Amino acid sequence: DGGITQSPKYLFRKEGQNVTLSCEQNLNHDAMYWYRQDPGQGLRLIYYSQIVNDFQKGDIAEGYSVSREKKESFPLTVTSAQKNPTAFYLCASSITVGGSGTYEQYFGPGTRLTVT
Amino acid sequence: AQRVTQPEKLLSVFKGAPVELKCNYSYSGSPELFWYVQYSRQRLQLLLRHISRESIKGFTADLNKGETSFHLKKPFAQEEDSAMYYCALGVLSGGYQKVTFGIGTKLQVIP
Repeated sequence: DGGITQSPKYLFRKEGQNVTLSCEQNLNHDAMYWYRQDPGQGLRLIYYSQIVNDFQKGDIAEGYSVSREKKESFPLTVTSAQKNPTAFYLCASSITVGGSGTYEQYFGPGTRLTVT
Repeated sequence: AQRVTQPEKLLSVFKGAPVELKCNYSYSGSPELFWYVQYSRQRLQLLLRHISRESIKGFTADLNKGETSFHLKKPFAQEEDSAMYYCALGVLSGGYQKVTFGIGTKLQVIP
């Protein structure tokens, strides 16, 4: 597998600490996304970005922050304000072609974050 | 706001039986619908999208705008079809692509 990488695979943190999850892609995609996957709740959108230095809040952005300083990188910070941070986090990317539609998303392998 | 509903969390069928995974959506504009699949220990990946109108691994899905549905069907289930299936709705909002996923249906094919 190449394309999108997420690191680390497993992450453990103490409550009250901020933690940053890495997401890198070499697909030359403009758009990148962060989702949270919980059992019984599917994938919920946290943040998404269409271009460098621009991003939008998704449906559950509270307690999270992102940056998009480079096209290939979209790190997610889970802050201490996030009430239930323990989850599986998925990063994805897709092309954008003239804004004429929505396109296939390519997913990373995910990071499982456990906060105790 | 857009919404995707997958009413069944788990669907168990016998090998060789027909499969139908249900998906309903709510969106006032022109939707783009997708089915994604996650096999055990593999990444989430696209299975098919309604625009392509293609059959992938024997699966098909037809967009029914009247019923706002995009059910995934396969005439004869195989053991290797066992996986988690997510229906997704893509929209363009303010120039941004936003995709909303359903909660997923776990398909279990019994040998």
